[in-house]
Amino acid sequence: KQEVTQIPAALSVPEGENLVLNCSFTDSAIYNLQWFRQDPGKGLTSLLLIQSSQREQTSGRLNASLDKSSGRSTLYIAASQPGDSATYLCAVTRRWGKLQFGAGTQVVVTP
Amino acid sequence: GAVVSQHPSWVICKSGTSVKIECRSLDFQATTMFWYRQFPKQSLMLMATSNEGSKATYEQGVEKDKFLINHASLTLSTLTVTSAHPEDSSFYICSVPLEGGPLHFGNGTRLTVT
Repeated sequence: KQEVTQIPAALSVPEGENLVLNCSFTDSAIYNLQWFRQDPGKGLTSLLLIQSSQREQTSGRLNASLDKSSGRSTLYIAASQPGDSATYLCAVTRRWGKLQFGAGTQVVVTP
Repeated sequence: GAVVSQHPSWVICKSGTSVKIECRSLDFQATTMFWYRQFPKQSLMLMATSNEGSKATYEQGVEKDKFLINHASLTLSTLTVTSAHPEDSSFYICSVPLEGGPLHFGNGTRLTVT
């Protein structure tokens, strides 16, 4: 069975600390992996997309790595800010462009 | 600016009525759109793939007669929840794929059935 798992389910850190969010997936037959941000009651904002042939992507304070063979991805957020508080979702793209999501990590950054 | 527009953003309806949700691709044509559903504290689950000019394909366990999908043009897909019940209360969100790029999502529709 294809699954996407995110650990931890929730995370609270003081402002300025680095965040490390983990995502694992079964069945390495993926086209890419994406990290999204979801604010309460809102839609999704795409943060980073890593193609299956890539090892990492960076955007500003965000860095995501992908180890396809072991089925793992990690999202690093440097120098966290209260505005980073949100739920972070990872998703892998399977056949026909279908995304399979993890349940998310709820992040709270305290001032 | 927004790439995908979803309307309405929230709706409250009575049990037994039908609700239509629209998903529009603003800047490009989309032959395929995806509809997801998210229950509280759960992940997004793909409901169906909307195909322009042909029938939608539904994921296992999703009732096609209850969740009617129409993809009448290259920029518009609609999801109609027919004879809604309280258990249909959820967050519905559409997405549009860009070839070779990430999916773009609408802002979602919060449906509450009383």
